Amino acid sequence: EDQVTQSPEALRLQEGESSSLNCSYTVSGLRGLFWYRQDPGKGPEFLFTLYSAGEEKEKERLKATLTKKESFLHITAPKPEDSATYLCAVRTLNTGNQFYFGTGTSLTVIP
Amino acid sequence: DAGVTQSPTHLIKTRGQQVTLRCSPKSGHDTVSWYQQALGQGPQFIFQYYEEEERQRGNFPDRFSGHQFPNYSSELNVNALLLGDSALYLCASTRTGPNYGYTFGSGTRLTVV
Repeated sequence: EDQVTQSPEALRLQEGESSSLNCSYTVSGLRGLFWYRQDPGKGPEFLFTLYSAGEEKEKERLKATLTKKESFLHITAPKPEDSATYLCAVRTLNTGNQFYFGTGTSLTVIP
Repeated sequence: DAGVTQSPTHLIKTRGQQVTLRCSPKSGHDTVSWYQQALGQGPQFIFQYYEEEERQRGNFPDRFSGHQFPNYSSELNVNALLLGDSALYLCASTRTGPNYGYTFGSGTRLTVV
């Protein structure tokens, strides 16, 4: 059975304090790993798609990396506006067209 | 360019009632998926519609049904509402083909009392 686990559940950072969020997965036939940002009461906003181990994507203060077992979302020098829940999702041979989401990491950046 | 539009934004229903939620996909998108997100959880897949047919379904009872119209918009219907159906219902659209990502709407917050 496909599994996606995100850690930590919650993370509080001082502004400028870099850190990483983890998404570990056990799936059959990964067809893509996706990172989304979700603000309270809003729908998820697409950040990155990663397809193969070793792949990296960057956008402003965010960088996503992928290995055969996990993905990291690195946040460099975060700002208060980076506060949100970050969701990881996978598409696999089992899930077909659906995304299987983790439970997310709630990030709070304190000024 | 309008993204995914969902209506209504908030809804309060009584247990046992029926509800219909609506979604207009992003321009150029032809595939619509519905997700249920309980508080503090990740979204869970309900079903996906393409060419007016249900193409894939998640682990949800038959009380959850849907429809896609020729203009690609979609409806989610839930019958015999339970308290546990209270959640944020998200619509996501995409375009057929490999490697196209999903765009999510802001959701409909359903509260069942």
